[in-house]
Amino acid sequence: DTGVSQDPRHKITKRGQNVTFRCDPISEHNRLYWYRQTLGQGPEFLTYFQNEAQLEKSRLLSDRFSAERPKGSFSTLEIQRTEQGDSAMYLCASSSTQGDYGYTFGSGTRLTVV
Amino acid sequence: GENVEQHPSTLSVQEGDSAVIKCTYSDSASNYFPWYKQELGKGPQLIIDIRSNVGEKKDQRIAVTLNKTAKHFSLHITETQPEDSAVYFCAASTGLGNAGNMLTFGGGTRLMVKP
Repeated sequence: DTGVSQDPRHKITKRGQNVTFRCDPISEHNRLYWYRQTLGQGPEFLTYFQNEAQLEKSRLLSDRFSAERPKGSFSTLEIQRTEQGDSAMYLCASSSTQGDYGYTFGSGTRLTVV
Repeated sequence: GENVEQHPSTLSVQEGDSAVIKCTYSDSASNYFPWYKQELGKGPQLIIDIRSNVGEKKDQRIAVTLNKTAKHFSLHITETQPEDSAVYFCAASTGLGNAGNMLTFGGGTRLMVKP
């Protein structure tokens, strides 16, 4: 297993367009998290899944944001009608409910809205 | 909700010296405290963590201490090396067990180790 993979690494989009990011977690991890990180700040929690169920959403996750994990494996995060304030690094992480609770983060998708 | 504050925001040390980064948290129910290292263009990497039933944990040159009464925890790096240069984040969570382990992060410390 090569860790948590995120695609794409970089995305530049025009304001108002929709974008979708993908995350492939470590295969034996049943929890998957999305975080957002702006420049010079710590990551902020957006949402998390346990298997295919989305169990928690932050108030940061406006109606324009939607996340899915249809088969309990990979996840997608979609942002509709992007705004300049959406520009950030979107980080995915996975963990297991068995034993070690530590997260493994992916390298992130850097979104720039112009 | 939980609030985590981290100090200092930047720290410059000479190679071989020790570095200490401190964090405070607000929610007395927090029970899990990880530390992450983030290098440019990469995601955060877990370097050490501690649970609330433990006061100190060491892993080679890295140690973390936790004071539950004062609600603060610290990262100690000894014999620093240039490759320790990175941004370090502390975090706290109330989520060990069945609850989702959502982390609240501090604002980060940029550590620079001068050769």
